[in-house]
Amino acid sequence: QKEVEQDPGPLSVPEGAIVSLNCTYSNSAFQYFMWYRQYSRKGPELLMYTYSSGNKEDGRFTAQVDKSSKYISLFIRDSQPSDSATYLCSQSGGYQKVTFGTGTKLQVIP
Amino acid sequence: GAVVSQHPSRVICKSGTSVKIECRSLDFQATTMFWYRQFPKKSLMLMATSNEGSKATYEQGVEKDKFLINHASLTLSTLTVTSAHPEDSSFYICSASSIERNGNNEQFFGPGTRLTVL
Repeated sequence: QKEVEQDPGPLSVPEGAIVSLNCTYSNSAFQYFMWYRQYSRKGPELLMYTYSSGNKEDGRFTAQVDKSSKYISLFIRDSQPSDSATYLCSQSGGYQKVTFGTGTKLQVIP
Repeated sequence: GAVVSQHPSRVICKSGTSVKIECRSLDFQATTMFWYRQFPKKSLMLMATSNEGSKATYEQGVEKDKFLINHASLTLSTLTVTSAHPEDSSFYICSASSIERNGNNEQFFGPGTRLTVL
């Protein structure tokens, strides 16, 4: 079983739609959950992070962790064509190893 | 702030040659640097973790004699792919983190290096 599982997509939505990206994880000991955005042929950039469970909101983005079901979610409101990228969920227990999902490719169509 | 650069961005080499990739933290001192490789439509796979001045810790299945990592200073780590073969062709990405800079476990990623071995 992979430590972090993510549907690779691709996911296509019209501009303005609400996007829901999801992951499941298996390691209950790790408390840090991150979402990275990766544009084509670029390195990932941190988008959101949460510690333990709960919600975190930043502008159009909301990250959600449900530890009871080991579920990680990222919601994007009023999606824009510039949001088209691959979104990687990840989990970590500290400053060392970060485990990534395979990434979900999102395309927002104008 | 928190900029990480990689050089070169792309490299094409012949089979059997060695290739060195540099990773630099430009505006902070990186306590730890990480090296990943990424295949198309696949996740980032951690290859090794390096702390300045000490030997790198390699993940299971990664050949340390093939992928030489040197972390000579708090701002520079290098990955050398020795005797490269076509199966080593991949996207190599480094990241850096600093205990002093942040307490949220964030890794700052470089832009990646595309290696193609002919």
